Amino acid sequence: EIVMTQSPATLSASPGERATLSCRASQSINNHLAWYQQKPGLGPRLLIYGASTRATGISARFSGSGSGTEFTLTISSLQSDDFAVYYCQQYKDWPPTFGQGTKVEIK
Amino acid sequence: QLQLLESGPGLVKPSDTLSLTCSVSGASISGSYWSWIRQPPGKGLEWIGYIHSSGTTHYNPSLNTRVTLSLDTSKNQFSLKLTSVTAADTAVYHCARGSPVADTWAQGVMVTVSS
Repeated sequence: EIVMTQSPATLSASPGERATLSCRASQSINNHLAWYQQKPGLGPRLLIYGASTRATGISARFSGSGSGTEFTLTISSLQSDDFAVYYCQQYKDWPPTFGQGTKVEIK
Repeated sequence: QLQLLESGPGLVKPSDTLSLTCSVSGASISGSYWSWIRQPPGKGLEWIGYIHSSGTTHYNPSLNTRVTLSLDTSKNQFSLKLTSVTAADTAVYHCARGSPVADTWAQGVMVTVSS
């Protein structure tokens, strides 16, 4: 099973700042990576798939990059609605596996 | 607009079977993949398995012997059964559309395994 590791566990930032979240795979997953956003009491929302393709309706403030084992989710200018937990997920191998999440909190 | 909603008991006894149903509105379940994913308290997300509208299923090997997914096209619903549950199966259970990428998720339902 592929292990996904996210860093940092918590990111404290102010509205308007740029946020950079990292995700590492235990083996190469090419570009088979998705990013999700989750707010309390809700199911996750798909942001990015294919490592860099935004899902339908997702703001251009969200961008994904990387391939192989190292990936990044960048939020260009944090808005109040962006403070949430973010998960990466690989889908190169079955079963799909998730990272433990990065919580983006207001500084 | 696609919406999914889980239903089922919030409390299940150890060794019993956990049964949940996901009702789909705003789209037909035909032609798509449908998944169950769970999240134990304080832990990460775990993909349980998927079912295609054709009836094809694929399960997480860690749960393979205990899981059964099914669907009812007449009701536009799909279901999860997990047998011989233990406290380790306590989690928020989400149903979702898509596999291996889930593009729409339900809110999730908390299921506690306890006597």
